[in-house]
Amino acid sequence: DSGVTQTPKHLITATGQRVTLRCSPRSGDLSVYWYQQSLDQGLQFLIQYYNGEERAKGNILERFSAQQFPDLHSELNLSSLELGDSALYFCASSVGTPNEKLFFGSGTQLSVL
Amino acid sequence: TQLLEQSPQFLSIQEGENLTVYCNSSSVFSSLQWYRQEPGEGPVLLVTVVTGGEVKKLKRLTFQFGDARKDSSLHITAAQPGDTGLYLCAGVAYSGAGSYQLTFGKGTKLSVIP
Repeated sequence: DSGVTQTPKHLITATGQRVTLRCSPRSGDLSVYWYQQSLDQGLQFLIQYYNGEERAKGNILERFSAQQFPDLHSELNLSSLELGDSALYFCASSVGTPNEKLFFGSGTQLSVL
Repeated sequence: TQLLEQSPQFLSIQEGENLTVYCNSSSVFSSLQWYRQEPGEGPVLLVTVVTGGEVKKLKRLTFQFGDARKDSSLHITAAQPGDTGLYLCAGVAYSGAGSYQLTFGKGTKLSVIP
């Protein structure tokens, strides 16, 4: 158990819909990262938050947004969903920077039908 | 964006054999991490290498960071079925404004057959 909790574990929805993925980091970790994993693209970095502030941005679409709340949990919002958004979405946390050990959650499997 | 190329993409070997997987890039990284991911789970960190030329051993696994800090290799001796999984390398690089970014390769999927 990494200590990082992601919900829900599975999500099935239709094109055009909006979903919210939730992540609770390990106790004491200030940084939260979101990654998307698909068979063809591998693990793609989306965005990082540190203590409530956006710290780094990767290949995140404009239809996607995220935030980190004062209690340090984070949510990833995906809107106007397309078939190609179907993927595993991982949250990870670390004390501070990615130079430190990242702990990954078990992921949310999103299926857009 | 820093790109990490991993090879081979797939590897199927018999129990007891040795193997090496590679992680190459044209970019320089401040550190490089190796993860193993099993089906239905998130990646789990195996090791971090920081210094060019560094070699780290973890039981039957040997990790090496290239002198120029652009590439790395993972060597497994006497592979066991429990080594089966997706091996991912990830490079840490400064991305500006005081922040660092961790970029992953696509991974090597290893199957060790009993």
